[in-house]
Amino acid sequence: AQTVTQSQPEMSVQEAETVTLSCTYDTSESDYYLFWYKQPPSRQMILVIRQEAYKQQNATENRFSVNFQKAAKSFSLKISDSQLGDAAMYFCAYRRGRGSNYQLIWGAGTKLIIKP
Amino acid sequence: GAVVSQHPSWVICKSGTSVKIECRSLDFQATTMFWYRQFPKQSLMLMATSNEGSKATYEQGVEKDKFLINHASLTLSTLTVTSAHPEDSSFYICSAEQGSNQPQHFGDGTRLSIL
Repeated sequence: AQTVTQSQPEMSVQEAETVTLSCTYDTSESDYYLFWYKQPPSRQMILVIRQEAYKQQNATENRFSVNFQKAAKSFSLKISDSQLGDAAMYFCAYRRGRGSNYQLIWGAGTKLIIKP
Repeated sequence: GAVVSQHPSWVICKSGTSVKIECRSLDFQATTMFWYRQFPKQSLMLMATSNEGSKATYEQGVEKDKFLINHASLTLSTLTVTSAHPEDSSFYICSAEQGSNQPQHFGDGTRLSIL
């Protein structure tokens, strides 16, 4: 069975600085997707970034980028130039690839605190 | 694009009543919808997977007679909490998948409080 582990329950960073959230996963599949979702206090779940396992290039979305290490089964999220609005719970998630109906496997989440 | 609307956002009701939560994909057809429950400071717990026109697939430990799911169209799924009790109080979130290999898009969630 697939598992997703976020070992940092809470992280804090100074505004405008860079922070990296870690995520590791376990799977025997070769084709899959990885996601980072953000859940602010409003509790809306927002997709931050997604990575296809077959792509070697790390995904980027503006200030958000990932370091995808397939062999190590590691998928960390880097947030550059942290802003107060980045404060939220961040969840790493895994999904089997190629098809629909596959559920997301979730990590426990990391609470990100931005210090002004 | 890929907007999911969930209604109501907050509901308070007496013990024993039934509560219906709607999840709509506004600008796409959702082949699959998912229903989650989230306890405070925890991750999402999948309750069931719903496909249009077929019975939902419930996760182990989720009572299908308690949590009725109907997926009548490609844009609407409903979750009905029947004979709700205080222990059913929680935050419920739906998501919709636009197609295979597409990410799930989430509704804003429903805070359910049973008195």
